[in-house]
Amino acid sequence: DTEVTQTPKHLVMGMTNKKSLKCEQHMGHRAMYWYKQKAKKPPELMFVYSYEKLSINESVPSRFSPECPNSSLLNLHLHALQPEDSALYLCASSHVGTGDQPQHFGDGTRLSIL
Amino acid sequence: KNEVEQSPQNLTAQEGEFITINCSYSVGISALHWLQQHPGGGIVSLFMLSSGKKKHGRLIATINIQEKHSSLHITASHPRDSAVYICAVSTGFTDKLIFGTGTRLQVFP
Repeated sequence: DTEVTQTPKHLVMGMTNKKSLKCEQHMGHRAMYWYKQKAKKPPELMFVYSYEKLSINESVPSRFSPECPNSSLLNLHLHALQPEDSALYLCASSHVGTGDQPQHFGDGTRLSIL
Repeated sequence: KNEVEQSPQNLTAQEGEFITINCSYSVGISALHWLQQHPGGGIVSLFMLSSGKKKHGRLIATINIQEKHSSLHITASHPRDSAVYICAVSTGFTDKLIFGTGTRLQVFP
């Protein structure tokens, strides 16, 4: 069991669908992250929220839309995805710092685009 | 050249062996992280260190700031240690981590 909970664990969607990935933590962390991970590759940072405000967007296509409605929740809204977007999407959280705080990861959502 | 390099890329061992995974980096850092990822799953943070040495159970992590090098050691390895081990560094300006490509470890009984 991890302290960062991601739902759903698996998601299959068509290219025209709209879906959302959810992430929740109750550790009092004020930094939250979305990563994308392809098979046998390290995670790639997508977005960072710090104090519920978007602080880093790694030039992610607009078909991915993050949202941080409160300090415990992080969403990733998906629309018009492409087959190459199939991957494991990982959420993480930490205390706000300058990379000197350990990040706590969820188990991920495995996304398949048909 | 990647800013964070790990070696070896793949490692197999017999149960009970002592294992070392190396990480070299070329940027100034505020901290170095060792992470573990089991197949199909999430990532666990094993260590975060900025100097010296840390130990947790059978795992030991060391860092040499002058040489820009860190090692992760596993003593008395066990099949449940089979996983991908990832080295990542933070540069101190943001919360962003720079990841190495990972070391895939398989420990056989």
